Amino acid sequence: NAGVTQTPKFRVLKTGQSMTLLCAQDMNHEYMYWYRQDPGMGLRLIHYSVGEGTTAKGEVPDGYNVSRLKKQNFLLGLESAAPSQTSVYFCASSLLDAGGTEAFFGQGTRLTVV
Amino acid sequence: ILNVEQSPQSLHVQEGDSTNFTCSFPSSNFYALHWYRWETAKSPEALFVMTLNGDEKKKGRISATLNTKEGYSYLYIKGSQPEDSATYLCAFKGKGSQGNLIFGKGTKLSVKP
Repeated sequence: NAGVTQTPKFRVLKTGQSMTLLCAQDMNHEYMYWYRQDPGMGLRLIHYSVGEGTTAKGEVPDGYNVSRLKKQNFLLGLESAAPSQTSVYFCASSLLDAGGTEAFFGQGTRLTVV
Repeated sequence: ILNVEQSPQSLHVQEGDSTNFTCSFPSSNFYALHWYRWETAKSPEALFVMTLNGDEKKKGRISATLNTKEGYSYLYIKGSQPEDSATYLCAFKGKGSQGNLIFGKGTKLSVKP
C-alpha cells in the first residue's frame, strides 16, 4: 500500500524558475494538504483541498498555487521560485477533515532555491 | 495567531527511563489534538487523535492524556528504547478552522542504549 507519494524527493531550482510538486494518495481520502517545514518552526500549512476540484489557502499561501483536478492528486506549483521558498515540503491526506481523523504524510520534498 | 507550544525542545534519556513531554494549546474553541511521531528521514506518523476532555489513549509503551479546559496534553513513554528516538509533534485543531492543523515545533527525543 503506497499511501501518500511525493515526487520529486529533491530539487534544486534557480531563482525565478518554476516547478510543480506532485502528491498522490491511494487511500481515497477527501482532504489533502501541503505543508512546509523550516528549521525551528512547526509544519505550516500552505494550501489544502477538501475534495476534488476545490482548493483553499492555508497559513502561508503566497508564492504558491495548487490544483486538485483528480481526487487522488494534489499539485503544488511555484511560478517564480525565490530563495525564501527553500524548504522541505510535505503533502498529507486525511479521510475527513483533519480534526477527528489522522493525517497521513508523504516522505517530503527537499527544495533548494539558489 | 494560535500558538501550539511543546516542551522541552529536546530530551536525552537512557534506555529504560520513562519520560514525558507537554503540548500546550488554546483552551477555547477546541476540536481535536493530534500526536505524531517523526523519525529522521521518514514522514510523520500518527500516534493519537484526541477529541474529548479527559481522554487517555495508549499504544504499547506510549500513552497520552488530554485536558481541554486548561489547554494541555501530555505524552508519556514508559521504559524508553533506542527505537523511540524521534521527534514528537502535537497538532491542534480549533472548531471551524476547516483543514488547518496547527503544529508545534516538536520535542526531539534521543534514547541512549
